Amino acid sequence: GQSLEQPSEVTAVEGAIVQINCTYQTSGFYGLSWYQQHDGGAPTFLSYNALDGLEETGRFSSFLSRSDSYGYLLLQELQMKDSASYFCAVLYNQGGKLIFGQGTELSVKP
Amino acid sequence: DAGVIQSPRHEVTEMGQEVTLRCKLISGHNSLFWYRQTMMRGLELLIYFNNNVPIDDSGMPEDRFSAKMPNASFSTLKIQPSEPRDSAVYFCASSSQLEGNTEAFFGQGTRLTVV
Repeated sequence: GQSLEQPSEVTAVEGAIVQINCTYQTSGFYGLSWYQQHDGGAPTFLSYNALDGLEETGRFSSFLSRSDSYGYLLLQELQMKDSASYFCAVLYNQGGKLIFGQGTELSVKP
Repeated sequence: DAGVIQSPRHEVTEMGQEVTLRCKLISGHNSLFWYRQTMMRGLELLIYFNNNVPIDDSGMPEDRFSAKMPNASFSTLKIQPSEPRDSAVYFCASSSQLEGNTEAFFGQGTRLTVV
């Protein structure tokens, strides 16, 4: 079987830092991706990790530990517009099968 | 490029009717994915194609669902006959298998309601 676990919801205040964790158990693994979805719209790509360690893209960073089957998305200097759902997704192979977690709904409060 | 284009954006149909959802890939992309999103089940992968060939259809719920890629830039997902439990948002996404590329681009989705 395959599973990706992430918290269902997280609340934080503007300007704060929040970390969204993801643990996975899948039969194949090429890398871990993160996607953002606003109000049920098109999910959009945020970040990708194929190797262990931290990848930084502006206010967002993503971390992967392959040995622990664990990753996280770190959002810094939170803004109201960051309120959205965040999905971790396992990429089975390049350009191939992409399996999503259930998503974490982030609410940013003033 | 206009991105991944799906049609229709909204579809309301009666139980038992045939429904066809359409998707136009981004030019040059050679992988195509169909997903279904519901509150209960999240984003489920239904089927994906590489170079117009179905690679994995293990997520297709049952024989009522079928997907095709008649050419490199276009795909359809058909439900026949439709049932109320098929109500969901259906997304298609495309990506490229070029070296180093890992991003999937999603369309805006088709919100299907079966009454």
